[in-house]
Amino acid sequence: GAVVSQHPSWVICKSGTSVKIECRSLDFQATTMFWYRQFPKQSLMLMATSNEGSKATYEQGVEKDKFLINHASLTLSTLTVTSAHPEDSSFYICSAGGLAGHVTYEQYFGPGTRLTVT
Amino acid sequence: GQQLNQSPQSMFIQEGEDVSMNCTSSSIFNTWLWYKQDPGEGPVLLIALYKAGELTSNGRLTAQFGITRKDSFLNISASIPSDVGIYFCAGQRYSGNTPLVFGKGTRLSVIA
Repeated sequence: GAVVSQHPSWVICKSGTSVKIECRSLDFQATTMFWYRQFPKQSLMLMATSNEGSKATYEQGVEKDKFLINHASLTLSTLTVTSAHPEDSSFYICSAGGLAGHVTYEQYFGPGTRLTVT
Repeated sequence: GQQLNQSPQSMFIQEGEDVSMNCTSSSIFNTWLWYKQDPGEGPVLLIALYKAGELTSNGRLTAQFGITRKDSFLNISASIPSDVGIYFCAGQRYSGNTPLVFGKGTRLSVIA
């Protein structure tokens, strides 16, 4: 399958600071990227969907001014958590969607980024 | 956001036993997927199902797409210790670049 990377894999930041998480599709062009959040012992919940070159579409209850998403190229999307607070501590996972050499459209998950806000 | 109904929530089984878990939804999905997630990692796709009634195997794993398109099950035969992890079902309402809706997960523990 195609490879999706995330950086950093984990980050600790102080309350009030901003953190940027990168999601890269390494060997295919991702026309769409999805950002999910997973709290401990819970499932993945979709935060937003972004298409390359367009504004992201946020799910209900997700603050677009707090979670800034940029998808400027077909291989890179970034999620910036602005003015982070302890309740933003979570596991953030991206998913990149594209053809990746297949006939059908597939989605591939990154390894996740563990954010801890102190 | 919406979540699928996945059961059981957790399972403790002996090595060598078969395992079955399922997912249901109140609405129709056109694609059903099953993922495994190990601690601290992203989900890894196990099986993808694209047609109602489809039965697909991947080694010791077998999954079926329900005829009503509102449910799916995953079977694991002859479990081994490395099967330990959390299994998630996911549904996709429309094929292509649309997001996935996840179940709450089944935590599988295998006792050697």
